[in-house]
Amino acid sequence: QSALTQPASVSGSPGQSITISCTGTSSDVGIYNLVSWYQQQPGQAPKSMIYEVIKRPSGVSNRFSGSKSGNTASLTISGLRAEDEAHYYCSSYGGSRGWVFGGGTKVTVL
Amino acid sequence: QVQLVQSGAEVKKPGASVKVSCKASGYTFTDYAVHWVRQAPGQGLEWMGWINTGKGDTKYSQKFQGRVTFTRDTSANTAYMDVTSLRSEDTAIYYCALNLPGDSFWGQGTLVTVSS
Repeated sequence: QSALTQPASVSGSPGQSITISCTGTSSDVGIYNLVSWYQQQPGQAPKSMIYEVIKRPSGVSNRFSGSKSGNTASLTISGLRAEDEAHYYCSSYGGSRGWVFGGGTKVTVL
Repeated sequence: QVQLVQSGAEVKKPGASVKVSCKASGYTFTDYAVHWVRQAPGQGLEWMGWINTGKGDTKYSQKFQGRVTFTRDTSANTAYMDVTSLRSEDTAIYYCALNLPGDSFWGQGTLVTVSS
C-alpha cells in the first residue's frame, strides 16, 4: 500500500489533456510544497518532470504542469503525444517519514 | 554533467548480503544527500532512505530500518547501500538518486536478484 494514492491508469487521445491526481494527507502533500512527478519509460530510470509542485526542470516540455489543492496534487499533460505513454509517479516529503511515493499511474495514448 | 553510475547486477542467495555502489560526478559530492529507491518487478517506486554525504548521517524508511545501511566515501565520491538478510521479496532494481536545485538525477539502477 503506497503512502500516496494515484489512479492506476489514465488514457487520452493525441492532442487531448489528461490529469493525474495524487492524494496524500495533511502530513505530506497538504503541508509541504515538495511534491515531485516522475516519468518512467519501460526499462529506464525515472525522469523528473515536475518538482516543488509547479516547477519544471530545464528541458521538460511546458505541456507538463503541476498543481496542488489541499492534500491532492495533480499533474496535467496537455497536447498528449504518443511519447508521453509511460508510468508516472508522484512523491512528497513526509516530514519524519522522509519521502513517500504514489503507486504510479500508467498513461495510455489511445 | 551530473552523473550517477551504479555497480552491476547481483545474484544472491537468501540470507546473504549485498552492497551496491553509486559513483557521483559533475557536482560537489558532499553538498547534496543521496537517496536510495527500490522498485520490485512490475511494481512502483519505494523510498528507502538517504545519506547526508557531507556529515554522513542517515535516515531510513521505517520499513528498512535495521536491515539497510548507507555509507559514503567522500574521497571516491561514492555512496553505498548495504542490505543484509536478503529474502526473495528484496528482488528489485535499486536506484540511487539526487535532488539538485532545479532537477533530480538518477543512477541507471542495479538489479539485485535473490534466489536459492
